[in-house]
Amino acid sequence: EPEVTQTPSHQVTQMGQEVILRCVPISNHLYFYWYRQILGQKVEFLVSFYNNEISEKSEIFDDQFSVERPDGSNFTLKIRSTKLEDSAMYFCASSDWTEADTQYFGPGTRLTVL
Amino acid sequence: KQEVTQIPAALSVPEGENLVLNCSFTDSAIYNLQWFRQDPGKGLTSLLLIQSSQREQTSGRLNASLDKSSGRSTLYIAASQPGDSATYLCAASTDSWGKLQFGAGTQVVVTP
Repeated sequence: EPEVTQTPSHQVTQMGQEVILRCVPISNHLYFYWYRQILGQKVEFLVSFYNNEISEKSEIFDDQFSVERPDGSNFTLKIRSTKLEDSAMYFCASSDWTEADTQYFGPGTRLTVL
Repeated sequence: KQEVTQIPAALSVPEGENLVLNCSFTDSAIYNLQWFRQDPGKGLTSLLLIQSSQREQTSGRLNASLDKSSGRSTLYIAASQPGDSATYLCAASTDSWGKLQFGAGTQVVVTP
């Protein structure tokens, strides 16, 4: 069964460093998302992406964050100048809009900022 | 702003009992509502999605209902098994771009 994959599974970085989280959505999907979950808190929406542009973003998604689909398969989230409060599990999701809008989530990348 | 609440936060039942999980939302103008399962340290597994025009969806032992007027959705899991132990999340989408607003989840333990 097709699935969303994410790399790395765990990323440790120093405060102020840049990180890139990678996702490979399900191949025929057209809509892509990033969410995050800080330990013990709700899953929060960050951004949605369609047709090579951001369709919606949350208040969290400020200039520190950017997304990109550099080729036909990868979808990345870049965090510039990481802060301690960026430590969280980051989930990528995708949907094809024909399967009743169901979003399929990847296993997540645990980001730890020291 | 859409707020999604799940009560109780935790639930423990003996194996074989039916599970009833509640989800409430403040804005009835939802596009759809999705139920997920999350195992510790893992990603989210989609269980069921209910479109705003639907009243319920069924998949195997799972049944989810949606009542927009009262701002509620309920997930029923029949004849629970220890393997059903997990955290169950509901999430509401209020626009066609798919942005999901999540509840905090209900942690379920099914004891043998």
